[in-house]
Amino acid sequence: EPEVTQTPSHQVTQMGQEVILRCVPISNHLYFYWYRQILGQKVEFLVSFYNNEISEKSEIFDDQFSVERPDGSNFTLKIRSTKLEDSAMYFCASSYWAGEAGELFFGEGSRLTVL
Amino acid sequence: DAKTTQPNSMESNEEEPVHLPCNHSTISGTDYIHWYRQLPSQGPEYVIHGLTSNVNNRMVSLAIAEDRKSSTLILHRATLRDAAVYYCILRDEDSNYQLIWGAGTKLIIKP
Repeated sequence: EPEVTQTPSHQVTQMGQEVILRCVPISNHLYFYWYRQILGQKVEFLVSFYNNEISEKSEIFDDQFSVERPDGSNFTLKIRSTKLEDSAMYFCASSYWAGEAGELFFGEGSRLTVL
Repeated sequence: DAKTTQPNSMESNEEEPVHLPCNHSTISGTDYIHWYRQLPSQGPEYVIHGLTSNVNNRMVSLAIAEDRKSSTLILHRATLRDAAVYYCILRDEDSNYQLIWGAGTKLIIKP
C-alpha cells in the first residue's frame, strides 16, 4: 500500500540553526500538507501546497518557515532559525482530492528537538 | 478552534463494540464529518467520513444523527491495536476545508 515517508525520524539541533524536514508524498497525490504536534498538545495545521505554491498557511507558519517541492517527488519544510518552541513532531500529509471529502494520508512524523 | 466536542477518554473491553460519540451542533449543510485516529507514537490515520447517510467499512461504521448535530463512530469489535486517540473533525468552508483538530477521545482497550 502506498505511504507517505518522512526523514529524518528524529533530529536534534541547536537553537538558531536551520533545519530541513523531508517528505515523499504518495506519488499521484496533488495536495501536500505540513502539520505539527507539540508534545501532549493538539495537532496543528501549518501549511498546504498545491500546484507548486502555498494554497493556505496558518499563523504559525511565519517567515521562519518555508516549503518547497524541489524535484516533483520530495516535499520539504525548512525552518530557517529554530527556536526552542519549534520542538515538536512534524507530520507531512498528502491527498489526491482537496475540499470537504478528501482523505489525507499522513507520514510517521519527524521529531524535532531544539536545544 | 475545533467545531466538535468529544469525551476526553473512554474505556472498552477487547472484542466488544465501541461507540465513540461526537457533537457538532454548529454543522452546516455542506460540512463533512471526518474521523481520524492516532496510534501511540504514530502519525494520524484516516478512518472514515460521511455527510448525511450512515457509512460502513470493513472495520468501522459512522452513524450520523438525522439532524447531523452529532455522530458516532462504531468499532465493531475492538482489539488492543485500536487503542488510540480518535478525532472527529468537520471539514467546512469556514476553515477552507483544512483539518482543525480538537483533543479527541483517548480510547483505552482492556484485555
